[in-house]
Amino acid sequence: NAGVMQNPRHLVRRRGQEARLRCSPMKGHSHVYWYRQLPEEGLKFMVYLQKENIIDESGMPKERFSAEFPKEGPSILRIQQVVRGDSAAYFCASSPLGHRDRDTEAFFGQGTRLTVV
Amino acid sequence: SQELEQSPQSLIVQEGKNLTINCTSSKTLYGLYWYKQKYGEGLIFLMMLQKGGEEKSHEKITAKLDEKKQQSSLHITASQPSHAGIYLCGAPTGAGSYQLTFGKGTKLSVIP
Repeated sequence: NAGVMQNPRHLVRRRGQEARLRCSPMKGHSHVYWYRQLPEEGLKFMVYLQKENIIDESGMPKERFSAEFPKEGPSILRIQQVVRGDSAAYFCASSPLGHRDRDTEAFFGQGTRLTVV
Repeated sequence: SQELEQSPQSLIVQEGKNLTINCTSSKTLYGLYWYKQKYGEGLIFLMMLQKGGEEKSHEKITAKLDEKKQQSSLHITASQPSHAGIYLCGAPTGAGSYQLTFGKGTKLSVIP
């Protein structure tokens, strides 16, 4: 999992500011998944992207949150006008194929810990 | 929606002892992933089980999948301090699904 790079590792934002979290998948991986881990809770799926396409964003809050995975560059999870409840660890995972193919596994990054003050 | 319940929630064992962590699904399992997480760090992939009855081992860690019981177990033999961490099970939400549902984790402490 060392190949999935997330930055920054830690991010502090004041309420109302914007947070941008970056994820560079492992080399050769074209599928990216974002998860959120709230204190004392399990990992929750947020969004699944392929290059230039959002495949499933059913786990993402309707407002203030957006994600993209451009043709060039990392995947970005953007949170606008952050609130204290957004404080969490955000993890990115990548895979060479979608989980639809049973022989694939997803590798996770180290996560970005967002703290809203 | 599918839920994964892990037991126990936390576990403290003496170094050298064996232990088992369970993961039970509220719905049919279409595979099961085990990850380990150290505090403040990312998830380390341990094993992926796909078929009922499948059993995999890596070093001193063995995982089994019982599809009928909608359950998986993770067994550590002769535990070491390096095994300490949070163990998470994750399962596809449906056949062919790319979305994983995770349990809340089992926190393992190993006392030297």
